[in-house]
Amino acid sequence: QTVVTQEPSLTVSPGGTVTLTCASSTGAVTSGYDPNWFQQKPGLAPRALIYGASNKYSWTPARFSGSLLGGKAALTLSGVQPEDEAEYYCLLKYGGVGVFGGGTKLTVL
Amino acid sequence: ELQLVESGGGLVKPGESLRLSCAASGFTFTQAWMAWVRQAPGKGLEWVGRIKSKTDGETIDYAAPVKGRFTISRDDSKNILYLQMNSLKTEDTALYYCTTDTRSWGQGTMVTVSS
Repeated sequence: QTVVTQEPSLTVSPGGTVTLTCASSTGAVTSGYDPNWFQQKPGLAPRALIYGASNKYSWTPARFSGSLLGGKAALTLSGVQPEDEAEYYCLLKYGGVGVFGGGTKLTVL
Repeated sequence: ELQLVESGGGLVKPGESLRLSCAASGFTFTQAWMAWVRQAPGKGLEWVGRIKSKTDGETIDYAAPVKGRFTISRDDSKNILYLQMNSLKTEDTALYYCTTDTRSWGQGTMVTVSS
């Protein structure tokens, strides 16, 4: 069974920078896994932020960026805003089948 | 404006069946790959399955926990995506989201499986 692992929780100060990571139990994450990132706030549907490891949607704030870092997918928030406090999920695709990570609860404090 | 509106959720007993629908509008449904994602109460997201467009072969992939019990289909003439759920288990209790292959999301429909 494939497992995708994220940090359970992270804390960042307003204006700071934080990097969330997404690892695969099968080995290094590459662009072939089509890493996607999502933001979810309480009571709301998730919102897509990043696809294909580093591509942004038209609605993705400029302070969010995606990359591949040290064998993992990464989501970096630069100049964090209070409204960025949320749960963040990554999604990797294995031969067409998607697997979400367990999510990272980001606290802005 | 893109809209995805799920319906068909409810309370069912273990072993029963349920069919979810997702009415799509505001985009070219026939060309879209569509996916279902679920979220159990207080838990994370779980990818359920995806159906490609007819022009891409209408290939369907399922997550292991639902393979053989759930069936995804689409009616391109009506712009509707379906999720047929059979042999439901208590662990299938979740909010089920319809998505355009996880790019855009509906608000979800709740399925509760309980005796």
